[in-house]
Amino acid sequence: GAVVSQHPSRVICKSGTSVKIECRSLDFQATTMFWYRQFPKQSLMLMATSNEGSKATYEQGVEKDKFLINHASLTLSTLTVTSAHPEDSSFYICSATASGRPRGELFFGEGSRLTVL
Amino acid sequence: KQEVTQIPAALSVPEGENLVLNCSFTDSAIYNLQWFRQDPGKGLTSLLLIQSSQREQTSGRLNASLDKSSGRSTLYIAASQPGDSATYLCAVAPLQGGSEKLVFGKGTKLTVNP
Repeated sequence: GAVVSQHPSRVICKSGTSVKIECRSLDFQATTMFWYRQFPKQSLMLMATSNEGSKATYEQGVEKDKFLINHASLTLSTLTVTSAHPEDSSFYICSATASGRPRGELFFGEGSRLTVL
Repeated sequence: KQEVTQIPAALSVPEGENLVLNCSFTDSAIYNLQWFRQDPGKGLTSLLLIQSSQREQTSGRLNASLDKSSGRSTLYIAASQPGDSATYLCAVAPLQGGSEKLVFGKGTKLTVNP
């Protein structure tokens, strides 16, 4: 149980275009989802926290107008990278908490590799 | 600000060897500490979660310890196998401000040679 699915796993886009990444909880309701970014050989850095039906909370230094997060239902959160540039190329990972599980326990998606040409 | 450091950054061992991965954190006010495994280009798989009140957790060939006062945790892998090759990440959850806001180390890349 507690499976988180991300789609697409890999995406290549041209500079200036927008890309949407989906994060779904397949067998549980995710009250809160988190989006991370991971550069090569670096730590996962938390970008934002999203709660179903409310605006996302962004970490310091993360541009909310560039990284649009929508958490429209208890099983789906989306991250849209708007007007992508090569420096946005990274590995994006989502995670989710599940009600009824121990506090602080997170379930991670498989990640999405974004390459901006 | 919490900082998590993992040493070594990379480790290569022959199959069958026992090994220890190290994690240190600067702020002892943690809710829990987790060890994850990450395969290349993949997401994270949770290995062990240690609550702040616990000293260790075991799962199969894995044993994780936690010394909160000194800001240290170790992941012990017994009888390593080539399939254990991956990057191992340590992450701490803060006591306040959202215990799900994990702070990660950069990881230790482990290679187990057959």
